[in-house]
Amino acid sequence: AQSVTQLGSHVSVSEGALVLLRCNYSSSVPPYLFWYVQYPNQGLQLLLKYTSAATLVKGINGFEAEFKKSETSFHLTKPSAHMSDAAEYFCAVTLGSGGGADGLTFGKGTHLIIQP
Amino acid sequence: DTEVTQTPKHLVMGMTNKKSLKCEQHMGHRAMYWYKQKAKKPPELMFVYSYEKLSINESVPSRFSPECPNSSLLNLHLHALQPEDSALYLCASSQGGRRRTDTQYFGPGTRLTVL
Repeated sequence: AQSVTQLGSHVSVSEGALVLLRCNYSSSVPPYLFWYVQYPNQGLQLLLKYTSAATLVKGINGFEAEFKKSETSFHLTKPSAHMSDAAEYFCAVTLGSGGGADGLTFGKGTHLIIQP
Repeated sequence: DTEVTQTPKHLVMGMTNKKSLKCEQHMGHRAMYWYKQKAKKPPELMFVYSYEKLSINESVPSRFSPECPNSSLLNLHLHALQPEDSALYLCASSQGGRRRTDTQYFGPGTRLTVL
């Protein structure tokens, strides 16, 4: 079964500093990985996804992630944090049920705090 | 337009009530999903519909009954819920077909409180 683990339930960075949110996966098949962001009292918005086309994936709002098979990781980074980045971030992987549509299984989430 | 709409935004119901949550998308997507999200937890998959047929049921109690009347609409019928069912219920849709890489687009959710 596919799963993801997010290290660090809370991450605090200063405005303008590097953001690094960690995600490791466990998968018996080639994984398809996603990063979603959730602002308070809202749904989830896709930041980026890995589909095996390229190991370095660029997303919205200046975020990017690198797929490293040797480390089973898909960490999310942003060079310079902005106050508006404060939110909950979820790493997710498709369940791999093999059906026509595949649900997602999410990591526990990382709450990103931006210090002024 | 990549919008998934959900109604109502908030719902308070008693344990003996029957209510329904509604989800709608007009992106031509053929896969639709229900997720449940408890406070400070990640979303958990409940149901998946693919081409209007239920394809995944993650062992959800029968007091939750999904329905997909057509390719644009997804309902979740609620009956005899328990207080522990209070949560944010998220609907999502994706293009569908045998593509595990499809992006799921999420609605804003319905916040359900069971008294």
